Amino acid sequence: NAGVTQTPKFQVLKTGQSMTLQCAQDMNHEYMSWYRQDPGMGLRLIHYSVGAGITDQGEVPNGYNVSRSTTEDFPLRLLSAAPSQTSVYFCASSKGAVGQPQHFGDGTRLSIL
Amino acid sequence: AQKITQTQPGMFVQEKEAVTLDCTYDTSDPSYGLFWYKQPSSGEMIFLIYQGSYDQQNATEGRYSLNFQKARKSANLVISASQLGDSAMYFCAMNSGGSYIPTFGRGTSLIVHP
Repeated sequence: NAGVTQTPKFQVLKTGQSMTLQCAQDMNHEYMSWYRQDPGMGLRLIHYSVGAGITDQGEVPNGYNVSRSTTEDFPLRLLSAAPSQTSVYFCASSKGAVGQPQHFGDGTRLSIL
Repeated sequence: AQKITQTQPGMFVQEKEAVTLDCTYDTSDPSYGLFWYKQPSSGEMIFLIYQGSYDQQNATEGRYSLNFQKARKSANLVISASQLGDSAMYFCAMNSGGSYIPTFGRGTSLIVHP
């Protein structure tokens, strides 16, 4: 049982480049979300989805796009990478019900030069 | 809007002793859920314990218990009999208002000394 799978695990980009962070889950969870983790800042919500075809912005959405064409996949796109987007990115999924915790991927460590 | 505050950036505890990690929250919604997660140095996020706002009893899971004080809006994590493997970052999180996407606190770094 794979759970939540994120790829790649590490990535270095140059300023201005674009890329997509992949996230897939095999638990048939309706809710999926992307967080970024920066030292001393905890996890901040970038975008989330409550089901296929439905996405919404979180606390820090600028510079990122998402789409949810299937229940399983929730990719995060960086349109034009900036050094401020250097961070560790976590994808999470949940059943979207009372008491149900988030299931996290292993994270993607992204550096923007 | 909901808010989670963890005021202890770092905590130290002796092995086999108990430790309390503080978490306070703020929400105007009477229905909410509180979660604690552990993040070891390897980086993965591990769910530890959950407390619902209407739960009558404090949640417990093995060596973890949640000291839930609704009037004070606090949900402190108590780890009993600390082990070296408990050294990690600990995050408190909350969802409310019918949203099941949680807001996280900034975390507390726990170091367990032998």
